Amino acid sequence: DAGITQSPRHKVTETGTPVTLRCHQTENHRYMYWYRQDPGHGLRLIHYSYGVKDTDKGEVSDGYSVSRSKTEDFLLTLESATSSQTSVYFCAISASGGLQPQHFGDGTRLSIL
Amino acid sequence: GEDVEQSLFLSVREGDSSVINCTYTDSSSTYLYWYKQEPGAGLQLLTYIFSNMDMKQDQRLTVLLNKKDKHLSLRIADTQTGDSAIYFCAESISGNQFYFGTGTSLTVIP
Repeated sequence: DAGITQSPRHKVTETGTPVTLRCHQTENHRYMYWYRQDPGHGLRLIHYSYGVKDTDKGEVSDGYSVSRSKTEDFLLTLESATSSQTSVYFCAISASGGLQPQHFGDGTRLSIL
Repeated sequence: GEDVEQSLFLSVREGDSSVINCTYTDSSSTYLYWYKQEPGAGLQLLTYIFSNMDMKQDQRLTVLLNKKDKHLSLRIADTQTGDSAIYFCAESISGNQFYFGTGTSLTVIP
């Protein structure tokens, strides 16, 4: 299995608080992605990174920011969490972007009350 | 995002074959993928097919691609209870983005 660790695995927080999710990889892959999974929507891309300090928006980026200061770490931040951001968040990695299958972490279940 | 559609549910009896279907809209897809997700876990890549192929077989799994109809299917032979999971198809078009279907929940009845 690809070495991808997401932390925390579960989090409950209140509306309006900041939240940061971490994805750590040991594969030295260039591309990293954050998805959210919601019933009836499958997986939707939030942000992705194609290198250190290189990031871009995905399909549902509003309300989220990301940072990648090292190859192995990709952080997802909710600046002011809202109940609509309650979801399961998955990190994925890829050696060469769209031409290579992605490998996924085990997910972070985030509940915003 | 791109429209990748799947039926939501499928039930089969243990030992039968399962066929999970997917339709996509972008004819410039480069790769098409099948993932499996078990409860509480992330997605596991099962197999993928390059868009210039019609079929790919990998042990109990057979992927069929009909480019004209933009239809992808995953056949699981001799379905077992351990195959119960949600199956996602996905397409890779260009750049670094994937588009996922909504997932098909497969239930295998003993």
